[in-house]
Amino acid sequence: EAGVTQFPSHSVIEKGQTVTLRCDPISGHDNLYWYRRVMGKEIKFLLHFVKESKQDESGMPNNRFLAERTGGTYSTLKVQPAELEDSGVYFCASSQRDRGSGGYTFGSGTRLTVV
Amino acid sequence: AQSVTQLDSHVSVSEGTPVLLRCNYSSSYSPSLFWYVQHPNKGLQLLLKYTSAATLVKGINGFEAEFKKSETSFHLTKPSAHMSDAAEYFCVVSDQANYGGSQGNLIFGKGTKLSVKP
Repeated sequence: EAGVTQFPSHSVIEKGQTVTLRCDPISGHDNLYWYRRVMGKEIKFLLHFVKESKQDESGMPNNRFLAERTGGTYSTLKVQPAELEDSGVYFCASSQRDRGSGGYTFGSGTRLTVV
Repeated sequence: AQSVTQLDSHVSVSEGTPVLLRCNYSSSYSPSLFWYVQHPNKGLQLLLKYTSAATLVKGINGFEAEFKKSETSFHLTKPSAHMSDAAEYFCVVSDQANYGGSQGNLIFGKGTKLSVKP
C-alpha cells in the first residue's frame, strides 16, 4: 500500500509570505495528524482530524496556522503570514485506530525554512 | 503530565557492537511507550511499542526494549549494530492523561542520533 505522502519536501519562503503544506494519508485512514519539529526541539502535536472534522487542535501555535481536510481525504496546513519561528519540519501521520495506540504511519515531512 | 527524556543526544558505536539508547519517562498513568526511528529523508517508522503486556518488547530489525517501572526507564537495545542502523531514534509516550484509556497524543523525546562506525 502507498504510504503517507507529503509535499513539498522542502520549502523556503520569506517572512510574511504564505505557504501551504499538503498531506495525503493512506487510503481509508480516517485519522490524520499533524506534528511539527522546530530546530533543536521535540516533535510536537499540532492537530488531529477524524475524517473531515477537527478532533483536537490544541497544539496549533496561533491563528496564523489553518488546517483543512475537505472531504476527509488529503489535508492542507497553511501558514499565513509565515514568521521566522515557524521554520522546522512538519510531519503528517495517519491511522485507522485510536491515537495513542502507536499505529501511526508517518510521512517523510516537509522542511520549512522561513528567511 | 507525561514526558520523556532521552539521555543522550548522540551515540556512536562500532559496527558489530551493542547499541544502548536510553530513555526515561514520567507518567501518572500506566503508560504506552514507543520507539520510533527516522532514517535520513524518510518518515518516522515505529520500531516497537509497550502497552502493559510483556515488559520486554521485541521490535523490528533486532531491536528490543525493556519497560522497568521501578526505574521509569524504557531503554532501547540491539546486540550488534549494523551500518544501516545509523538514524535518529525517538522515545515516545502516549499522553493518556487528557483523554484516558488508550487515546492520546504522542509526546516525543528530543531524539538520539545513532552513528555506526565501520
